[in-house]
Amino acid sequence: DAKTTQPNSMESNEEEPVHLPCNHSTISGTDYIHWYRQLPSQGPEYVIHGLTSNVNNRMASLAIAEDRKSSTLILHRATLRDAAVYYCILRDEGTGGFKTIFGAGTRLFVKA
Amino acid sequence: DAGITQSPRYKITETGRQVTLMCHQTWSHSYMFWYRQDLGHGLRLIYYSAAADITDKGEVPDGYVVSRSKTENFPLTLESATRSQTSVYFCASFQSLPLVDEQFFGPGTRLTVL
Repeated sequence: DAKTTQPNSMESNEEEPVHLPCNHSTISGTDYIHWYRQLPSQGPEYVIHGLTSNVNNRMASLAIAEDRKSSTLILHRATLRDAAVYYCILRDEGTGGFKTIFGAGTRLFVKA
Repeated sequence: DAGITQSPRYKITETGRQVTLMCHQTWSHSYMFWYRQDLGHGLRLIYYSAAADITDKGEVPDGYVVSRSKTENFPLTLESATRSQTSVYFCASFQSLPLVDEQFFGPGTRLTVL
C-alpha cells in the first residue's frame, strides 16, 4: 500500500488560511487522495478527496501537485472548531483495494 | 435511525473474558471496517469486509474475530481480552460503486480491560 507522510502538528491563527501538506511519493495512477479529520472524542469525518485535479467543497480545498506526489488541504479561514487531527490517506480504487490504512495524521491547533 | 451505530458505547471487562462489539449500518454499504485507536495515536485497521461472508485481515488482527452474515452487521469479538486491547474501537462503512466517496464512522466504543 502506498504511504503518506504528514507533519505531526501545525498551528494556525483563527480566521487565517491553513495549508496542511501531505507527501505520497509512491502514489500509483489509480490511487485517490482522501482527507479525513477527527475532532476530539469523535470518530473521523470525511473532508474531501480527489484524483488529479484540484477540488473544492464547502469544507475545504484540495490542491494536488502535477506529479501527484504531494497534496495540500486548504482551510480558507480556520475557526476554533477546525482544531482536529487531519488524516491524508490513499485509496486504490482502480484495483478495488479498499483496505484503507490511516497514518498518524497532523494535529492542527487553532489560536484565538 | 439512519446511519452507523455501535454498541455498547462503553465497556469494562476483565482479562480473559470474551467481548463482542456490535456495529450496524442502515445504508446497505458493501464495505465495513473495524479500527482501534489507542490513546494519543492514529487509527489502526483490525479487519474489514467487502460484502457479507467476505472478510479480510487488516494491520492488527491478532486476538480478534469478525463475522458478517448480514450486510448491515459487522460484529467484532475479542475471544480472550487482554489489557493491551484497551482502546477505542471505531466501526466504519462505505459503498464502493460506482466509486468510493465518503467513509462513514460510528461514534466509537471505549473498551477497558482490567
